[in-house]
Amino acid sequence: AQKVTQAQTEISVVEKEDVTLDCVYETRDTTYYLFWYKQPPSGELVFLIRRNSFDEQNEISGRYSWNFQKSTSSFNFTITASQVVDSAVYFCALSLGSGYSTLTFGKGTMLLVSP
Amino acid sequence: GAGVSQSPSNKVTEKGKDVELRCDPISGHTALYWYRQSLGQGLEFLIYFQGNSAPDKSGLPSDRFSAERTGGSVSTLTIQRTQQEDSAVYLCASSSGKGTATNYGYTFGSGTRLTVV
Repeated sequence: AQKVTQAQTEISVVEKEDVTLDCVYETRDTTYYLFWYKQPPSGELVFLIRRNSFDEQNEISGRYSWNFQKSTSSFNFTITASQVVDSAVYFCALSLGSGYSTLTFGKGTMLLVSP
Repeated sequence: GAGVSQSPSNKVTEKGKDVELRCDPISGHTALYWYRQSLGQGLEFLIYFQGNSAPDKSGLPSDRFSAERTGGSVSTLTIQRTQQEDSAVYLCASSSGKGTATNYGYTFGSGTRLTVV
């Protein structure tokens, strides 16, 4: 069975600080996908990124960056120069190799960015 | 439609009543998923439909929960004899199953917030 652990329940930072959200996953499969979603107060889940298990290249998108390390089964998410609008719950998730596989989510990390 | 539509957005029901939650997926998406988000919990998988295949019901918490998908499109999640522990946000997602470099095709609706009093 798959498992995703987000050990940080809640993080509070002041605007412009950098913040890293941790994600550790467990699976016996060799083909899998990792995701990050953002859930703002409005409630809708917003897709941020997908990585497959064969691509460990780190990714940067604006102020967001992701560090995928298979050796430690981690897929951490860093927000650089955080902004108030980044305040949300962030979920890490995993799906197996099938294109239609269900997502296994972590319990989420609530990020609060204060002005 | 442009996105996944769920209705109602909010539902308050009395304990013991049945409720139906509706999900309208993105047109052409063959896969449809239901998840439940309880307070302080992550998203819990409930059920998954893929085309004409038998649904994966492995996540349904009890036999009071059932779901159907008509014509490969709209889905209804039914909870019978609701209990207070059923209070949660029920999220629906659909997927084309086709990945691109930036999107794996899962799109979530805004959810139905169910409160059982």
